[in-house]
Amino acid sequence: GAVVSQHPSRVICKSGTSVKIECRSLDFQATTMFWYRQFPKKSLMLMATSNEGSKATYEQGVEKDKFLINHASLTLSTLTVTSAHPEDSSFYICSAASGSGNSEAFFGQGTRLTVV
Amino acid sequence: AQSVTQLDSQVPVFEEAPVELRCNYSSSVSVYLFWYVQYPNQGLQLLLKYLSGSTLVKGINGFEAEFNKSQTSFHLRKPSVHISDTAEYFCAVSFSGGYQKVTFGIGTKLQVIP
Repeated sequence: GAVVSQHPSRVICKSGTSVKIECRSLDFQATTMFWYRQFPKKSLMLMATSNEGSKATYEQGVEKDKFLINHASLTLSTLTVTSAHPEDSSFYICSAASGSGNSEAFFGQGTRLTVV
Repeated sequence: AQSVTQLDSQVPVFEEAPVELRCNYSSSVSVYLFWYVQYPNQGLQLLLKYLSGSTLVKGINGFEAEFNKSQTSFHLRKPSVHISDTAEYFCAVSFSGGYQKVTFGIGTKLQVIP
């Protein structure tokens, strides 16, 4: 399958600072990328869908100004957690797909964010 | 309402024993069905998927799943588990007809006991 790489795999940041997570498709062009958040002992929740060159579509209850998503190229999407707080600590994972809704989405390895 | 239910949060099983992880969904439209595995501190890996055709789907690592439309289920099975199968397993359903935007179940932790 295709390869999706997330960076960093782990990050610790101070409360009040911002942190950026990158999601890259290494061997294909990702027209659509998805960002998920996994709460402890809970499932993955879709946060937003981003299409290259357009604004991201956020799921209900996700703060757009807090979780900034940029999908500026066909191989890179970034999630920036602004003014992070301890409750933002979580596992964030992206998936990427090329083409239409019938093309498979491939997952990155995830990023463990800890806000102290 | 569309939903995905994994009935067991944890399943302990002895090594070389068979295992079944249950998944049910609720939908009024056609669905695509997936099982993913997540090893500790890693991302998701696709085990298998059902899009159409044969209701018995074979995946990687000896896993298989059967789609039962009347019971809206997609249970995952393996006839003989190994220690290395210890992981969290997520059932996922695409209600939109494509297989990009999926809804995940809560996950089942499979613990293989030596």
